Amino acid sequence: QSALTQPASVSGSPGQSITISCTGASSDLGVYDYVSWYQQHPGKAPKLLIYDVTKRLSGVSNRFSGSKSGYTASLTISGLQAEDEADYYCSSYSTSTTLRVFGGGTKLTVL
Amino acid sequence: QVQLQQWGAGLVKPSETLSLTCAVSGGSFIGYYLTWIRQPPGRGLEWIGEIGQSGNANYNPSLKSRVTMSVDKSKNQYSLNLTSVTAADTALYFCASVGAITLTPAFDIWGQGTLVAVSS
Repeated sequence: QSALTQPASVSGSPGQSITISCTGASSDLGVYDYVSWYQQHPGKAPKLLIYDVTKRLSGVSNRFSGSKSGYTASLTISGLQAEDEADYYCSSYSTSTTLRVFGGGTKLTVL
Repeated sequence: QVQLQQWGAGLVKPSETLSLTCAVSGGSFIGYYLTWIRQPPGRGLEWIGEIGQSGNANYNPSLKSRVTMSVDKSKNQYSLNLTSVTAADTALYFCASVGAITLTPAFDIWGQGTLVAVSS
């Protein structure tokens, strides 16, 4: 069971916007603004999209944005494109003995 | 820019030791730590642990008794050893830098991954 909770799947049509949530606890999202988001295509290494809750890695499309409220972080993808179909993971630094935690991952399907 | 290239045995027998190496090229700064992450087939990401350039390491408590990470600064290489493996250790293993680009606790540069199967 993952420390952070994500929906197993989300879907949207090309051009639409979707949001993926990531819910944590007082030991991670509740205390740190070190939330990052990763995109992973099948058989590939994950790629960093968003770090420190809202910052986009250089070269990442501005269609990707991050936010956080309380114990829940969110990744929003606007103007969905077919290439966005992938798995998305959130991660956070934690005060627990497991210093770095992940969400279980969300499969995005572009209809 | 820093790149990570990893390698190791793709098939390990049960009860034996899994060994992987991650080589850093294109620079010497790997950020705060070099971390190891794994992904069992069809499942999510699991943090194994991390090691700094000075050799200071932090491990996932669930694996701590079996994990050792080390660094060879002369070769700019980082190693992962996982002892007494079972089928549950079958996974795609990644190395990644922590903060090499972002200067923050994010996994910003990744190796290509090494698929390790545990089977007799």
